[in-house]
Amino acid sequence: DIQMTQSPSSLSASVGDRVTITCRASQSIGFYLNWYQQKPGKAPKLLIATTSSLHSGVPSRFSGSGSGTDFTLTISSLQPEDFATYFCQQSYSNPLTFGGGTKVEI
Amino acid sequence: EVQLVESGGGLVKPGGSLTLSCEASGFAFSTSSMHWVRQAPGKGLEWVASVSSSGTGTQYGDSLKGRLTISRDNTKNSLFLQMSSLRVDDTAVYYCVRRRSDAFDIWGQGTMVIVSS
Repeated sequence: DIQMTQSPSSLSASVGDRVTITCRASQSIGFYLNWYQQKPGKAPKLLIATTSSLHSGVPSRFSGSGSGTDFTLTISSLQPEDFATYFCQQSYSNPLTFGGGTKVEI
Repeated sequence: EVQLVESGGGLVKPGGSLTLSCEASGFAFSTSSMHWVRQAPGKGLEWVASVSSSGTGTQYGDSLKGRLTISRDNTKNSLFLQMSSLRVDDTAVYYCVRRRSDAFDIWGQGTMVIVSS
């Protein structure tokens, strides 16, 4: 199975900050890396597909980059509604696996 | 409106069985790859099972393999997950999810399964 490791597991930031979250795969997954946002008590929502494709309706302050084993999610200017937990997920091979999550707190 | 609505969760004793259902609307269900993903309380996300658009291809995660059957009824836009020999650590919110272009783009609101004596 491909292990996905996110860092940090949590971070504190302020509105307007630039935030970067890292996801590392245990083996190369090409560009098959997705990012999700989850707020408390809600289902996850797709933010970015295949490393850098912004999902419909997602603000342009979110961006993704990387390839192979190392990937990043960047929020260019953190907004109040962005405080949430973020998960990466590989879609390269079964079983599909997720990172442990990064909680972005005020 | 694009929607997935799960049902069937609840309290079940260890060793018991449960069937979850998911009703889809607002998109082409019959041509969609469908999955179940679960999340234990306070924990991360775990992929559980998938079924191809036709229903003929199924795959299962290791933690529940042998205790699950995923199926679908395209005439009713419905997805199912039959779970047996449930354990306390199967306690989780179970999400019905559509996979499109290698990502999970539509999620249901989830249904809670509690396994406890």
